[in-house]
Amino acid sequence: KNQVEQSPQSLIILEGKNCTLQCNYTVSPFSNLRWYKQDTGRGPVSLTIMTFSENTKSNGRYTATLDADTKQSSLHITASQLSDSASYICVVSARSGYSTLTFGKGTMLLVSP
Amino acid sequence: SQTIHQWPATLVQPVGSPLSLECTVEGTSNPNLYWYRQAAGRGLQLLFYSVGIGQISSEVPQNLSASRPQDRQFILSSKKLLLSDSGFYLCASPGTDLNYGYTFGSGTRLTVV
Repeated sequence: KNQVEQSPQSLIILEGKNCTLQCNYTVSPFSNLRWYKQDTGRGPVSLTIMTFSENTKSNGRYTATLDADTKQSSLHITASQLSDSASYICVVSARSGYSTLTFGKGTMLLVSP
Repeated sequence: SQTIHQWPATLVQPVGSPLSLECTVEGTSNPNLYWYRQAAGRGLQLLFYSVGIGQISSEVPQNLSASRPQDRQFILSSKKLLLSDSGFYLCASPGTDLNYGYTFGSGTRLTVV
């Protein structure tokens, strides 16, 4: 069964600090991995998308890494801002079919002043 | 680019009442559209997907139904709502930019009372 596990479940950090969110997956055959940011009461917004051959991808202060061998990904947020407070969702796509996205439950990040 | 419009943003409905949530696509279209539900503390669950007008597939047996009357319109319905139908409903499209990932609507928060 395809699964995506995220940790921690929630995280509180001070503004300006860095943090790293983790994503472990058991999705096969792997196609790509995406990180989304979801503000409360809004739809998810794409941050990064990585395929099997990509190890790292950056989007501003967000840097995602992917280790396809260990089936792990991380999202690193640098110099956090209050607006970074949101849920961060890891989504893994299997290489087959119409929609084979497996969603993690997300990490709720709160950036405190 | 692509924008997914959903309405209403919030909805409170009594048990047993009907439901109609609408999703429309603006901009570059992709034939595939999806309805997801996000329950509190849980990941997104795929409810329905459509690959074209009049073509609907259901992922899980439930009290809901979907229709695709037009290429850019995807509707989620119910004849009689249950308490368990409460949740955050999201419409999504794969879009046309493979580097971006799925585009989500802003969601509808449904509370069945």
